[in-house]
Amino acid sequence: GAVVSQHPSRVICKSGTSVKIECRSLDFQATTMFWYRQFPKKSLMLMATSNEGSKATYEQGVEKDKFLINHASLTLSTLTVTSAHPEDSSFYICSATSTVSDQPQHFGDGTRLSIL
Amino acid sequence: RKEVEQDPGPFNVPEGATVAFNCTYSNSASQSFFWYRQDCRKEPKLLMSVYSSGNEDGRFTAQLNRASQYISLLIRDSKLSDSATYLCVVNSGGSNYKLTFGKGTLLTVNP
Repeated sequence: GAVVSQHPSRVICKSGTSVKIECRSLDFQATTMFWYRQFPKKSLMLMATSNEGSKATYEQGVEKDKFLINHASLTLSTLTVTSAHPEDSSFYICSATSTVSDQPQHFGDGTRLSIL
Repeated sequence: RKEVEQDPGPFNVPEGATVAFNCTYSNSASQSFFWYRQDCRKEPKLLMSVYSSGNEDGRFTAQLNRASQYISLLIRDSKLSDSATYLCVVNSGGSNYKLTFGKGTLLTVNP
């Protein structure tokens, strides 16, 4: 089946550091990629929708200058958490889908971010 | 009303039991529906899509009632490996294929 690779799987860094997370679709062209965040024992919350070659669409309450998204190709999207603080510690997951709307999304392995 | 609402759980059942998960959604324009499972500290994995006619995959049966905006998942002969959080997921349609997740229902199957 479709595979989405996310890297790194685990990040621990100091407050103020910027962290970049990559999401790659390995065997299909992902016109749309999604970035989610999940806090412990909570549901996945969509942060932004990323379409190849255009600006990302952010959900309400998500700061676009804080969470920079780049979707430069059909197989790669990146999320950069700028000047991360302890409250940004969370599980970040990407997903990707092709152009067919009723196809399920395929998720990356997730990145566990811990800011000290 | 929440967009996607599930049984709060948790469910604790013995091996071999039949378990039913219920889910309702608020957006009548929703177009596609899925059940995902998520193991602790892992990403969600697609379990099955849900179709109006109902569909079955081995021990798993999914049903959709568009009139009631209700989705269900039935697991028969539950195994220890079925222990996970089950997520009801709805695609609200439109050009951005945005998914809305339920909060999930934790299932623990006991030996």
